[in-house]
Amino acid sequence: EAGVVQSPRYKIIEKKQPVAFWCNPISGHNTLYWYRQNLGQGPELLIRYENEEAVDDSQLPKDRFSAERLKGVDSTLKIQPAELGDSAVYLCASSPGQGKMNTEAFFGQGTRLTVV
Amino acid sequence: GESVGLHLPTLSVQEGDNSIINCAYSNSASDYFIWYKQESGKGPQFIIDIRSNMDKRQGQRVTVLLNKTVKHLSLQIAATQPGDSAVYFCAETYFGNEKLTFGTGTRLTIIP
Repeated sequence: EAGVVQSPRYKIIEKKQPVAFWCNPISGHNTLYWYRQNLGQGPELLIRYENEEAVDDSQLPKDRFSAERLKGVDSTLKIQPAELGDSAVYLCASSPGQGKMNTEAFFGQGTRLTVV
Repeated sequence: GESVGLHLPTLSVQEGDNSIINCAYSNSASDYFIWYKQESGKGPQFIIDIRSNMDKRQGQRVTVLLNKTVKHLSLQIAATQPGDSAVYFCAETYFGNEKLTFGTGTRLTIIP
């Protein structure tokens, strides 16, 4: 079974430029998460989707970050414009979804973003 | 706000010895806990989980202990191997809430 797939693996951009990350969750998983992980810290939730609906985006900096999950499968996270402080690893994860007893979230390899 | 934290940021263990990684959580409503292992350049990988109706769960070479009274859980790794070197995170959530809250992590280094 394929795991969570993210692309690109690495991205280097200049500040004020836009950037986008893509995630393909595990087939059949209704819940999709975007996390940001700063160096030496644990992942922090940015946004959570149940199918195509964003049910928790309280931690998403909405002035520059946006996300979508059209058709409730793949998802894209965008930053525009990027700032130096956005440098981090952006992790996508998926889990079966609400209504099912909590199970672990499965993570992708992440996209390491460097803003220069 | 509620948080999950770890006592030790780094831990070095001789190969073959047992290791114990600790984690404190503050949300008394949490009923599901997970330990993740993260190797350099990779995403977190599930190791073992435990629900609040249990106080111990064993896997292959790993054991998780949960003490709800003091809101503490630990990960024990038996007969450590070089491949166990990684950062270990505990994470917690509760039924009906799909959000995982992670701690800062403990870097485990296995000394050959």
